[in-house]
Amino acid sequence: QVTLRESGPALVKPTQTLTLTCTFSGFSLSTTGMCVNWIRQPPGKALEWLARVDWDDDKYYSTSLKTRLTISKDTSRNQVVLTMTNMDPVDTGTYYCARIQATSSGWSGIDYWGQGTLVTVSS
Amino acid sequence: EIVLTQSPGTLSVSPGERATLSCRASQSVSSSYLAWYQQKPGQAPRLLIYGASSRATGIPDRFSGSGSGTDFTLTISRLEPEDFAMYYCQQYGSSPPWTFGQGTKVEIK
Repeated sequence: QVTLRESGPALVKPTQTLTLTCTFSGFSLSTTGMCVNWIRQPPGKALEWLARVDWDDDKYYSTSLKTRLTISKDTSRNQVVLTMTNMDPVDTGTYYCARIQATSSGWSGIDYWGQGTLVTVSS
Repeated sequence: EIVLTQSPGTLSVSPGERATLSCRASQSVSSSYLAWYQQKPGQAPRLLIYGASSRATGIPDRFSGSGSGTDFTLTISRLEPEDFAMYYCQQYGSSPPWTFGQGTKVEIK
């Protein structure tokens, strides 16, 4: 059974750095083709893809946010960590981690999501 | 970066009727790597369709996807009460950055 769970602070101050941890089970990030994404959603707004880390440690970032984001994985602990620097009130929203995998048939779509964690940026 | 535009913004439909949602890309989506997700209030998105037309595991066959290149469609053949929700398309072709559309809300007429 695949599960993902996000954890981190519910409240951060402007200019601070946000660190979120995704702890997952039911799959391994050392398996070829496995990837974990971070996606966020401001209240009442659309989904926004942020970053992805792959089984081979390749990393990809949103064009508009890449100077502020760092994604990393700890395969032995089944965790993926996202840091976002210089937080601003517009970064308020629910942050999701979610899995996608590439198989011999191609990409499957983002098939498993965590329940999300709400982060509020306010002084 | 590929921009996805969904239409309409809101679709008012009666239960049992058909719903057709559109997703248009600013450039061709490689290998038809286009997915559709359903999201209900307070819940994480759920994968419905991947590869433009393949249903995800456990998705009822009243949901179908079609299209290629820059024009994609999600069709719900007969709306059930549980289908009233937000729907997002997402492209995940080639290398990131990946993008989502702004969403279509399917509401009860």
